[in-house]
Amino acid sequence: GQSLEQPSEVTAVEGAIVQINCTYQTSGFYGLSWYQQHDGGAPTFLSYNALDGLEETGRFSSFLSRSDSYGYLLLQELQMKDSASYFCAGLWQGGKLIFGQGTELSVKP
Amino acid sequence: EAQVTQNPRYLITVTGKKLTVTCSQNMNHEYMSWYRQDPGLGLRQIYYSMNVEVTDKGDVPEGYKVSRKEKRNFPLILESPSPNQTSLYFCASSLTGQGDWEQYFGPGTRLTVT
Repeated sequence: GQSLEQPSEVTAVEGAIVQINCTYQTSGFYGLSWYQQHDGGAPTFLSYNALDGLEETGRFSSFLSRSDSYGYLLLQELQMKDSASYFCAGLWQGGKLIFGQGTELSVKP
Repeated sequence: EAQVTQNPRYLITVTGKKLTVTCSQNMNHEYMSWYRQDPGLGLRQIYYSMNVEVTDKGDVPEGYKVSRKEKRNFPLILESPSPNQTSLYFCASSLTGQGDWEQYFGPGTRLTVT
């Protein structure tokens, strides 16, 4: 099957580092991307990994390990505005895109 | 401005009354997709299209139809809406569906079926 799992919620303090994990079923998997969504808004693209390793974009980094069927999003120097839902999304062969159920991140002062 | 537009943004309708939600993008993207979002269930793909005249079922296609006659438009059709289709709907597009992954999402359409 095609599915992804991520924690439902994570809490961290301002200035800290937080990691949001995502595991997936492997059959036909093509790559992993991450999206951020604030309450009531549209998801916005953060990062994408087609190959194993770390991709860095400013305060955000994403990692993929195909051998472990696992990826994560790393957020550094957390700010209050980072409070949002974060989704991992896997692309499978043929173009089907499956999202995880989302991780709600709460950043406390 | 590069964007994905959806109309209407809000819609309240009754069971069985056919409706269409339009989606249009001005970025010449090949890949377009529809999602529904329900509390606790994340985003679930309804249908996607890799290019004009090519459409495929996502995870939850039952009760929905789509068409892709032009590259820029990808309307979502509910022939006979039912209350379990009450949801927040997003249209999205990306350059291709095979590696250029940055999906641009429309603002969403909140549909209520009574």
